[in-house]
Amino acid sequence: GAGVSQSPSNKVTEKGKDVELRCDPISGHTALYWYRQSLGQGLEFLIYFQGNSAPDKSGLPSDRFSAERTGGSVSTLTIQRTQQEDSAVYLCASSPGFLNEKLFFGSGTQLSVL
Amino acid sequence: GIQVEQSPPDLILQEGANSTLRCNFSDSVNNLQWFHQNPWGQLINLFYIPSGTKQNGRLSATTVATERYSLLYISSSQTTDSGVYFCAVLYGTSYGKLTFGQGTILTVHP
Repeated sequence: GAGVSQSPSNKVTEKGKDVELRCDPISGHTALYWYRQSLGQGLEFLIYFQGNSAPDKSGLPSDRFSAERTGGSVSTLTIQRTQQEDSAVYLCASSPGFLNEKLFFGSGTQLSVL
Repeated sequence: GIQVEQSPPDLILQEGANSTLRCNFSDSVNNLQWFHQNPWGQLINLFYIPSGTKQNGRLSATTVATERYSLLYISSSQTTDSGVYFCAVLYGTSYGKLTFGQGTILTVHP
C-alpha cells in the first residue's frame, strides 16, 4: 500500500481481556517495528522484525506481550490479560531494510484499558 | 544505553519566525532521524541524517557526528509546523532499535 496501515485505529477493552493489533507495512519493506507512546511520553521500542524473524524483542514489557509476522508482511501485536498500564498508542513502522534506513510510521492504534 | 536530549522542551513562535531545535546524544550513532508528530499524532519522517547537512524546503538539518549533536532549522514557520519534533538515533549493534529523545513541542501562532 501507499503507507503503513494499522488497525483498529481505536480499541477500548476491559482489564483482563486479550487484544490484537494489526500492522500492514509498506509493500516491499523488509523491516517492521513496534513502538509504544504513552500519554505525554516519548516513544518506547517494543520489538522489530527483519523478514519474519525478530532479532530484538528486548523492549516487550512482559510475557503478556507477543508479536508475530507472517509472509514477511503483516504483523500482529498481541497483549494478553490487558492491564490499565497498557493504555497507550501503539505505533508500527516499516523500512526498506534495517540498517541506515528511514522509518515510516503508521497512524497508530489508541488502546484504552478500562 | 545511549542518552538523547532535545532542547528546548517547548517553543512558541509567531508565524514567519525562524527556529533551531537541538539534539544531543551521548555516544556514536549509526543512524539519526528527525520526525514531526502532528497534532493528530501522525509521525512524519523529516530527515535521515547521520552526518552532514540536508535541506527540504523550509526545513534543514545538520548533524556533527564527531561532536554528537544535530540541529533542525525551521525557517519562515507556519501554523502547520506545530507539533512535536523528535530526534531518534541508532547506535552500536542495536539494529532496528531507534532511541527517541523526549521531543520539542513547537507551537506556531498566526
